Amino acid sequence: ETGVTQTPRHLVMGMTNKKSLKCEQHLGHNAMYWYKQSAKKPLELMFVYSLEERVENNSVPSRFSPECPNSSHLFLHLHTLQPEDSALYLCASSQSEPGSGANVLTFGAGSRLTVL
Amino acid sequence: QQQVKQSPQSLIVQKGGISIINCAYENTAFDYFPWYQQFPGKGPALLIAIRPDVSEKKEGRFTISFNKSAKQFSLHIMDSQPGDSATYFCAAHRSFSGNTPLVFGKGTRLSVIA
Repeated sequence: ETGVTQTPRHLVMGMTNKKSLKCEQHLGHNAMYWYKQSAKKPLELMFVYSLEERVENNSVPSRFSPECPNSSHLFLHLHTLQPEDSALYLCASSQSEPGSGANVLTFGAGSRLTVL
Repeated sequence: QQQVKQSPQSLIVQKGGISIINCAYENTAFDYFPWYQQFPGKGPALLIAIRPDVSEKKEGRFTISFNKSAKQFSLHIMDSQPGDSATYFCAAHRSFSGNTPLVFGKGTRLSVIA
């Protein structure tokens, strides 16, 4: 496996279900991110973990709960979601480039979530 | 200050034509400007990036033009092909600020028609 892998690729859940999205990066990066992509807000940052500590939480509702158990894995736990939460959830990882400091993101293919 | 404004929202170009997507920013602390390309069913992927010490960067058919005084940068796709049909996102970043997130534009959906 290379790059950033997300599972499941598609998920349909009811409003009372509990489910989790999983992300794994095989790049040795030290930061991981969750983005929400929808028609209204194409790339909406949700959470940032750097060195396994959450450094940013962009006013995301508590029904979304991230977990970063180690530098290679990131989860997004979902509970009592609303239909408007239906979107593509993208995971990304990064490591600042030595010398340039540029933050190059590598994205996974996303998990398409539908909330009924 | 943290926004990156991208236009147009969608673009249709004939095969062989030039596609041009524009972005503008406010924060003069930004010093790294990447473009990401996203195909349907895939995540965005880095396409090309520029720093403000140069006014242009070219990689194959893709060119970034940068105007530091106007705080604008644009992506030009020469000889556009149907395979270039995708959504393009510009972004901005303060390098050496660690893993602080990129600020993304809202994206441009490009369709190249034969």
